[in-house]
Amino acid sequence: DAGVIQSPRHEVTEMGQEVTLRCKPISGHNSLFWYRQTMMRGLELLIYFNNNVPIDDSGMPEDRFSAKMPNASFSTLKIQPSEPRDSAVYFCASSLWTGDYTFGSGTRLTVV
Amino acid sequence: KQEVTQIPAALSVPEGENLVLNCSFTDSAIYNLQWFRQDPGKGLTSLLLIQSSQREQTSGRLNASLDKSSGRSTLYIAASQPGDSATYLCAVRDAGNMLTFGGGTRLMVKP
Repeated sequence: DAGVIQSPRHEVTEMGQEVTLRCKPISGHNSLFWYRQTMMRGLELLIYFNNNVPIDDSGMPEDRFSAKMPNASFSTLKIQPSEPRDSAVYFCASSLWTGDYTFGSGTRLTVV
Repeated sequence: KQEVTQIPAALSVPEGENLVLNCSFTDSAIYNLQWFRQDPGKGLTSLLLIQSSQREQTSGRLNASLDKSSGRSTLYIAASQPGDSATYLCAVRDAGNMLTFGGGTRLMVKP
């Protein structure tokens, strides 16, 4: 298994632009999570899906952030418009219900 | 709301030492607890998963214990090596399948 696959690995964009981060979970996993990691705040859960349905999005910072999971093998996290304070590493993780979490390698986002 | 604390925040030890990393959590109603390792600029690698009904788990030189009633877990690393240098994160999972992370312990093992 290739693990959780995220793309792109790095993204540099100008303030105000739309950013789309992508995630392919491990086949067969029914839960998918988006996290953001910064030096100041550590790892924060943004949103999580179970069986493609959003269960908890209380961690999504504001309306500029949106996430979708159109099928069991793909999810996107979109930021529109992006701001410098959105600069962080964004991780996607997947798991079976209450099994081990497996994390992707992350997307390092820099908004200038 | 669950809060997870890891002490110490940073630790530097000479190679060969045995060491203990600590994790505490405020709500004992957890489903399981997981220890991760994160290398600089990399993702998180799962080390050990302890179910709430278990007391400990072992993998090679690593041993993790769980005392759910007191809200504590420890990660014991035996005979530390420079390759063990990384940040170690503790995370607790609730019945709703959400993980809450501690702030991590940054470990440096000097040759």
